Amino acid sequence: AQSVTQLGSHVSVSEGALVLLRCNYSSSVPPYLFWYVQYPNQGLQLLLKYTSAATLVKGINDFEAEFKKSETSFHLTKPSAHMSDAAEYFCAVSLGDMRFGAGTRLTVKP
Amino acid sequence: ETGVTQSPTHLIKTRGQQVTLRCSSQSGHNTVSWYQQALGQGPQFIFQYYREEENGRGNFPPRFSGLQFPNYSSELNVNALELDDSALYLCASSLLGVGDQETQYFGPGTRLLVL
Repeated sequence: AQSVTQLGSHVSVSEGALVLLRCNYSSSVPPYLFWYVQYPNQGLQLLLKYTSAATLVKGINDFEAEFKKSETSFHLTKPSAHMSDAAEYFCAVSLGDMRFGAGTRLTVKP
Repeated sequence: ETGVTQSPTHLIKTRGQQVTLRCSSQSGHNTVSWYQQALGQGPQFIFQYYREEENGRGNFPPRFSGLQFPNYSSELNVNALELDDSALYLCASSLLGVGDQETQYFGPGTRLLVL
């Protein structure tokens, strides 16, 4: 069965610092992997997706994620955090229906 | 903006009542999926409709049902509401069978409170 695990329910960084949000997946076949962001009282916005074309995936707002099959990981990074990045981030795996992680709340300190 | 809209934005019901939530998919998308997001949790898959037929279901009881219409709109119906049904309900549209079929585009959600 496919699933994702997000390590760390809450991550806090200073403005300008590196953002690293961790996601590990479990899938019996090569998965489609996604990162979504959710701002308060809003739906989910797609940040980026992995569909086996390239292991390093670039998304919107300078976010990127690297698919590492050996580590079954798909961690999300951003070189320099901005105050507007404060939100809930969800990793998801899809093989038909989409399975989400529990989410990581990112706080950005001034 | 994803082009996916949901109504209403907020809803308050009492236990035992029935509720209908509505979603308008992105134009041309033939698939809609519904998710339940409880407070502080990730979205949980309820079911998916493809060309007006149910195309997969998560671990939700039969009192959760749906419809998809030819005009890209869909409904989620919940009967005999329970307190635990209080959540944000999200719909997502996608285009199965063509190109980038795995990407789902989400609406803003309907927040349901059951008292």
